[in-house]
Amino acid sequence: GAGVSQSPSNKVTEKGKDVELRCDPISGHTALYWYRQSLGQGLEFLIYFQGNSAPDKSGLPSDRFSAERTGGSVSTLTIQRTQQEDSAVYLCASSLVQGGANNEQFFGPGTRLTVL
Amino acid sequence: ELKVEQNPLFLSMQEGKNYTIYCNYSTTSDRLYWYRQDPGKSLESLFVLLSNGAVKQEGRLMASLDTKARLSTLHITAAVHDLSATYFCAVEIGAGGTSYGKLTFGQGTILTVHP
Repeated sequence: GAGVSQSPSNKVTEKGKDVELRCDPISGHTALYWYRQSLGQGLEFLIYFQGNSAPDKSGLPSDRFSAERTGGSVSTLTIQRTQQEDSAVYLCASSLVQGGANNEQFFGPGTRLTVL
Repeated sequence: ELKVEQNPLFLSMQEGKNYTIYCNYSTTSDRLYWYRQDPGKSLESLFVLLSNGAVKQEGRLMASLDTKARLSTLHITAAVHDLSATYFCAVEIGAGGTSYGKLTFGQGTILTVHP
């Protein structure tokens, strides 16, 4: 079956613009996660969803970041008023059941965001 | 706050040699994952370790977990060039005995295998 897909694969934007990143999890996976990978900070957790709710938003770096998930499937990560320090690869992952016996997370290809 | 530390961060090996990557973590957990990342690619799941003493093997790689020592190892046997990649360990933490899925990653170990 299809894996986790993300779009766009690359996004170049100007400082101050808003961007939306999309994640389509593996069909049937109820948990969805966003991470960020950058040279300086490594791999950082941002937010996770169980169904459509997001119990833990503590990883979001600032209030310019928000995420939503509708229909228990596709999720969008929105960054408002982008800054150069937002440049990173944004990775989405999904797992079958959050908190289950095996929470193996499967990662998408990522969106490389460059803020000029 | 959970901290996950890998060492070494850089590993240059000759083909045919053996080596071990270490992953130490600071908070009690019995769920640890190993991932591989090739340049410009995403993360590929290698091993899922869900209990103390768990050992998993796939080809030339073997991973183990010691929850009492808060240590996982990734052992490479008779390395080949195709194993060149960055390897991450990730620890899953939970609250009140129920994991909520957040992974905290180590810094990654960049492995280069030379002929």
